[in-house]
Amino acid sequence: AQKITQTQPGMFVQEKEAVTLDCTYDTSDPSYGLFWYKQPSSGEMIFLIYQGSYDQQNATEGRYSLNFQKARKSANLVISASQLGDSAMYFCAMREGLTGFQKLVFGTGTRLLVSP
Amino acid sequence: GAVVSQHPSWVICKSGTSVKIECRSLDFQATTMFWYRQFPKQSLMLMATSNEGSKATYEQGVEKDKFLINHASLTLSTLTVTSAHPEDSSFYICSAPQQALIPDQPQHFGDGTRLSIL
Repeated sequence: AQKITQTQPGMFVQEKEAVTLDCTYDTSDPSYGLFWYKQPSSGEMIFLIYQGSYDQQNATEGRYSLNFQKARKSANLVISASQLGDSAMYFCAMREGLTGFQKLVFGTGTRLLVSP
Repeated sequence: GAVVSQHPSWVICKSGTSVKIECRSLDFQATTMFWYRQFPKQSLMLMATSNEGSKATYEQGVEKDKFLINHASLTLSTLTVTSAHPEDSSFYICSAPQQALIPDQPQHFGDGTRLSIL
């Protein structure tokens, strides 16, 4: 069964506008972490934001925020004030358990294109 | 911040060659490292979990004898693709958690290795 689902293969947004990238997940473990990574064309994986299953508040990191709806098992990434440099692949990932010794399971990714 | 260094960045070699990829944690010790593979326009798929001082744990469908993993020290894990063939051409990327016992710590990724087998 697919544990992480990203239903948007591609998204377009105009510069300076906000965009939401969708992510739903499936787990029976009460303890888990959700991550978003950005992958530019050069290939490196850039960590953006983290949300723990027990966190009461939505995570925010600068222009990135995570809309965490636990009951719906969704963890959407919101990028505010998009910039041209935001054009990249974005991956949602889940780690079951709370320690770093557990693997990450990635979604299929969303390609974001920011236009001038 | 924590850095994971991966070498080489690019490899082009003939079919049948064995290729070694190194993954180093530069300013922290990593008892666990992860090796992922990414085919073009696809997601990252975990190949194996590398454990310092013990055998690697491979994911289902990954050939242990083809993808040899050695984690001989707390800062170095290597992936050797033995007798590589064109179908092994892919993007290989490693990662390591800096402080594995702290919940909100992300895995730090190397920059990846693009492997092309002719």
